[in-house]
Amino acid sequence: ETGVTQSPTHLIKTRGQQVTLRCSSQSGHNTVSWYQQALGQGPQFIFQYYREEENGRGNFPPRFSGLQFPNYSSELNVNALELDDSALYLCASSLLGFTEAFFGQGTRLTVV
Amino acid sequence: QQQVKQSPQSLIVQKGGISIINCAYENTAFDYFPWYQQFPGKGPALLIAIRPDVSEKKEGRFTISFNKSAKQFSLHIMDSQPGDSATYFCAASKASGTYKYIFGTGTRLKVLA
Repeated sequence: ETGVTQSPTHLIKTRGQQVTLRCSSQSGHNTVSWYQQALGQGPQFIFQYYREEENGRGNFPPRFSGLQFPNYSSELNVNALELDDSALYLCASSLLGFTEAFFGQGTRLTVV
Repeated sequence: QQQVKQSPQSLIVQKGGISIINCAYENTAFDYFPWYQQFPGKGPALLIAIRPDVSEKKEGRFTISFNKSAKQFSLHIMDSQPGDSATYFCAASKASGTYKYIFGTGTRLKVLA
């Protein structure tokens, strides 16, 4: 087990709603990255947070936003949910300056 | 140039056999190449990783072979076991800046008992 925990594990939302996903980093890690994994695909980078600031963003629209807290935990917020947002959302924690990243078990989001 | 191409899409191997998964990249700025193992309903777990200053890295039954000039790397699973049945992802990253991973599309491995 990596020590990265995500909540909730499963979630069903209606198109147009908003959702917040949560992640607790592995102890000692100061960087959190979020990835979206569609069914049968590899994870796609959404963004990364370091010291409560966004430190890089992938090709995702602004309705995907995030926060990092002083204890290095993090939230992913998605507004105006679309059917295509249905995916496994993964949080990965790491120590900036080191490339190893450790993933949580993910949150399975279904948009209906 | 940001893509990582992975093959095969699926692989069936007999118990005790060798499983080989290949990846290719184009961005020469990548300098960290991890492999992840993912079981259904779980997050990816780091298996083994390599940097381009070495051509091979071995950890137990898992070996990464790296060909810098061809911009290719591969995962070899020796003595494959049914418990190795999972989806494997290669990835690439730059060891500076955002450290974001570019993942391959995955290989679904099934090891027959």
